[in-house]
Amino acid sequence: DIQMTQSTSSLSASVGDRVTITCRASQSISTYLNWYQQKPGKAPKLLIYAASNLQSGVPSRFSGSGSGTDFTLTISSLQPEDFAVYYCQQSYNTPYTFGQGTKLEIK
Amino acid sequence: QVQLQESGPGLVRPSETLSLTCNVSGGSISTYYWSWIRQPPGKGLEWIGYIYYSGSTNYNPSLKSRVTISVDTSKNQFSLNLSSLTAADTAVYYCARVEDSSAYYYGYYFDYWGQGALVTVSS
Repeated sequence: DIQMTQSTSSLSASVGDRVTITCRASQSISTYLNWYQQKPGKAPKLLIYAASNLQSGVPSRFSGSGSGTDFTLTISSLQPEDFAVYYCQQSYNTPYTFGQGTKLEIK
Repeated sequence: QVQLQESGPGLVRPSETLSLTCNVSGGSISTYYWSWIRQPPGKGLEWIGYIYYSGSTNYNPSLKSRVTISVDTSKNQFSLNLSSLTAADTAVYYCARVEDSSAYYYGYYFDYWGQGALVTVSS
């Protein structure tokens, strides 16, 4: 199985900050990397697919980059509704695997 | 707008079988892959498996011996059976649509999700 590692389990930031969340794969996955946002008691929501493609309806302050083994999710200017847990997920092969999540908290 | 809704018992006894159904509305179940994903309380996400509308399946090897996913296109729904339950199977179970964009080298991603169903395994 491909292991997905989000090295930062929690991150504190303020409204208006620029935030970067990282994800590393245990082997090269090209750009087969997706990002999800999950709020308490809710299902995950797709933000970014194929490393850098913004899902329809997702605000443009979210962006993704990377290829191979290292990926980043960037929020350009944090809004109050962005405080949540963020997961990366690889679809290079099955079993599809997720990172353990990065919780973005209000400073 | 595609909507997914899980249904099934919230409490199951150890060693028994969990059965959940996902009803798909606002779109056809045909031409897509459909997946089950679970999340133990306070923990991360685990992919269980997927089924194509035609019936072909792919399961997580860690659960493969205990999992069956089936589809009923006439009812626009798909189902999960997980047998030989233990407390470690206690989780919120999500159904999700799998968008197959492999032809465009975008891979696969979960674009629509159900709200989730909490299943507790306890005697």
